[in-house]
Amino acid sequence: DTAVSQTPKYLVTQMGNDKSIKCEQNLGHDTMYWYKQDSKKFLKIMFSYNNKELIINETVPNRFSPKSPDKAHLNLHINSLELGDSAVYFCASSPTGLEKLFFGSGTQLSVL
Amino acid sequence: GENVEQHPSTLSVQEGDSAVIKCTYSDSASNYFPWYKQELGKGPQLIIDIRSNVGEKKDQRIAVTLNKTAKHFSLHITETQPEDSAVYFCAATDGAGSYQLTFGKGTKLSVIP
Repeated sequence: DTAVSQTPKYLVTQMGNDKSIKCEQNLGHDTMYWYKQDSKKFLKIMFSYNNKELIINETVPNRFSPKSPDKAHLNLHINSLELGDSAVYFCASSPTGLEKLFFGSGTQLSVL
Repeated sequence: GENVEQHPSTLSVQEGDSAVIKCTYSDSASNYFPWYKQELGKGPQLIIDIRSNVGEKKDQRIAVTLNKTAKHFSLHITETQPEDSAVYFCAATDGAGSYQLTFGKGTKLSVIP
């Protein structure tokens, strides 16, 4: 059983397109996250979300929007994709009030 | 906000030797310091963590030490094995009471058989 699963694993698309990445966790956690890992392996938080609050990182362009249909799912929608959006995107979850993160296996996004 | 510096960026050791990775943090209110291991094509996985009220923690071949005064913490891996080869990340919470983590830039560890 995969604790945090995200799809697709690879996503190749043209500039200007809109795409979504899906994430699901079966750990019963209340808090979910999206992280971006650039080509130099630097991990940076984009969003954290729980039942009560969406916390948006100020450096994230508003072309990126998280959507959570329920506490087990947090999807990432990206509009008008740009070359600089190419990266690996990781979904993660944690029990509310604890910092221990459980990461998915990542989605490699390539914008051509 | 918190700033976490990690070094070295790459580290090669012979199998059986020890490896040490060091991190410094800027926010004296930070109180939680995890280490994550990322294998090729996978997401980071928590391997050990330490809280600010503890100076050292061990789990089999890995250990973490914390010096609050100097604001630095280190990961020690003894008797390294080829399967220890991966990218290791340190992290620190963004101040007391925060659950947000700031990550270091990672150390690529290669264990040579």
